[in-house]
Amino acid sequence: EAQVTQNPRYLITVTGKKLTVTCSQNMNHEYMSWYRQDPGLGLRQIYYSMNVEVTDKGDVPEGYKVSRKEKRNFPLILESPSPNQTSLYFCASRRDNTDTQYFGPGTRLTVL
Amino acid sequence: ELKVEQNPLFLSMQEGKNYTIYCNYSTTSDRLYWYRQDPGKSLESLFVLLSNGAVKQEGRLMASLDTKARLSTLHITAAVHDLSATYFCAAGINTDKLIFGTGTRLQVFP
Repeated sequence: EAQVTQNPRYLITVTGKKLTVTCSQNMNHEYMSWYRQDPGLGLRQIYYSMNVEVTDKGDVPEGYKVSRKEKRNFPLILESPSPNQTSLYFCASRRDNTDTQYFGPGTRLTVL
Repeated sequence: ELKVEQNPLFLSMQEGKNYTIYCNYSTTSDRLYWYRQDPGKSLESLFVLLSNGAVKQEGRLMASLDTKARLSTLHITAAVHDLSATYFCAAGINTDKLIFGTGTRLQVFP
């Protein structure tokens, strides 16, 4: 089944404890992206990647890192999480030169 | 800087009625997207509009784009309960960067 998976789906952590949220797609898509969703703000793009080893900042990259070492994986790294990073995070992917994005199920992160 | 505004933010409508959700964007954008999100779920792609005057329809939903007015609309015809969800529009600076609106929460009641 074609899908985008994220792990973990739920995470409660404490300020300053490094964490990684994984994102994987099995559709051989070139483009992948991370968003955060907050009430009243819609979705905001954090980082995106056009292909392996090619990444760029979205609208709200501060406090986040990403890497794209393999085509299928695009992990989101929070080196020192803070409470303002408490949010619902979505990963998405699409084939190059197409417009339809496929979203993962979301990861709800709480930073205490 | 591209900004996207949706209105209304909340919409409660009776089954069988028609209504329109509006999406305004502030600067030139070469593509406009509509997504649906059910409560507690992920986002589902509904429409992609790529040119001025573009119109797309799927069931009771019809989306249109006026690039001169920087306006897209999502029209709901004869609403049914199954359409209850949050609808987002997003404008693309290019195919890589998207700016989302804040969403319109639609509730359809009998």
